[in-house]
Amino acid sequence: NAGVTQTPKFQVLKTGQSMTLQCAQDMNHEYMSWYRQDPGMGLRLIHYSVGAGITDQGEVPNGYNVSRSTTEDFPLRLLSAAPSQTSVYFCASSPGPGNTIYFGEGSWLTVV
Amino acid sequence: KQEVTQIPAALSVPEGENLVLNCSFTDSAIYNLQWFRQDPGKGLTSLLLIQSSQREQTSGRLNASLDKSSGRSTLYIAASQPGDSATYLCAPGGDSGTYKYIFGTGTRLKVLA
Repeated sequence: NAGVTQTPKFQVLKTGQSMTLQCAQDMNHEYMSWYRQDPGMGLRLIHYSVGAGITDQGEVPNGYNVSRSTTEDFPLRLLSAAPSQTSVYFCASSPGPGNTIYFGEGSWLTVV
Repeated sequence: KQEVTQIPAALSVPEGENLVLNCSFTDSAIYNLQWFRQDPGKGLTSLLLIQSSQREQTSGRLNASLDKSSGRSTLYIAASQPGDSATYLCAPGGDSGTYKYIFGTGTRLKVLA
């Protein structure tokens, strides 16, 4: 019973490098999203998807790209990493509006 | 823009106490509200989901109430235990069933044995 799986759990990047955070869910949920969590700021929505092929921007989308080619996967791409992107990233999924949200365990990213 | 405030930011209590955690939000046009628990170094776990038409939800020792018109929700924890130590976050969901939840910064709870 995997739920929402994120990889990698920890990553150190140099400024300017690119990388992809992976997220997969095995619950056949339509809705998937990416949040970042920073001290004193709570969780902020980066991008979200309401189904395969449909994505939209959240509160803090700059510097990040997403795609949703399958129901199961929702990768988050950092195009050119900056120290301001040092954060903990959470992927979440939900069956739909008004339903419980399920979170992954998080990915700790440090950009030096 | 929705803003969410949680008071207190931190709380330390002896085991057995009944607790009230507060959440206030500025935009009352919400679809629902969720309460989450986050343990250190872990993801969030949903505790209770209250639809906008409901006044409260209960799960075991947890009870959450919602006063949508005044922009407030409370999480009541009965007979607290050391295992309840965690950060508790509330998240009101946007109107019309949008998927956008705005999170508070949480209340960090420590229950002392």
